[in-house]
Amino acid sequence: GAVVSQHPSWVICKSGTSVKIECRSLDFQATTMFWYRQFPKQSLMLMATSNEGSKATYEQGVEKDKFLINHASLTLSTLTVTSAHPEDSSFYICSARETGSYGYTFGSGTRLTVV
Amino acid sequence: ILNVEQSPQSLHVQEGDSTNFTCSFPSSNFYALHWYRWETAKSPEALFVMTLNGDEKKKGRISATLNTKEGYSYLYIKGSQPEDSATYLCAFKNFGNEKLTFGTGTRLTIIP
Repeated sequence: GAVVSQHPSWVICKSGTSVKIECRSLDFQATTMFWYRQFPKQSLMLMATSNEGSKATYEQGVEKDKFLINHASLTLSTLTVTSAHPEDSSFYICSARETGSYGYTFGSGTRLTVV
Repeated sequence: ILNVEQSPQSLHVQEGDSTNFTCSFPSSNFYALHWYRWETAKSPEALFVMTLNGDEKKKGRISATLNTKEGYSYLYIKGSQPEDSATYLCAFKNFGNEKLTFGTGTRLTIIP
């Protein structure tokens, strides 16, 4: 079945630095990938839709200059949290949908802690 | 803002017992309802994608029903086993976009 690999699983960074999270579709091509964020005791919230070869579409309230998304190939999307602050500490997870499929395949997520 | 609610938030069930939980979602502009099973430190695993009113799907001991007119879906687990312990998420998708709107999940713990 479709597999999405996400790295790193967890990361601790200092306030003010940037962190890059990778999401790869291993056995299918994904023209569209999705980035979600989950705060404690809340649901997964869509941050942005990443489109291969074009600009990402951000949900309302998500700062595009802070959360940089790059989808340079059909199998890789990256999310860079720039100038991270402690309030950016959260669980970030990506997903992708294989063309022709109803279902969405998720990565295993990244726990980001900003100290 | 779309509202997807799941109940209960958490549930403890004795091994061997059957259980069920609910997902409610907007009944208008419905396209699909997704169920996922999510174990800690793993990727959410797709269980069902339900699209038709009255749909009933089954995967082993797990089944799900869908009522799009009243906006709810039930997930049933028959004869619970310890490996069923996980968080079960539902997600609603409407027409016109790829966005999934998730509930907060039902955390199921099976007591051996």
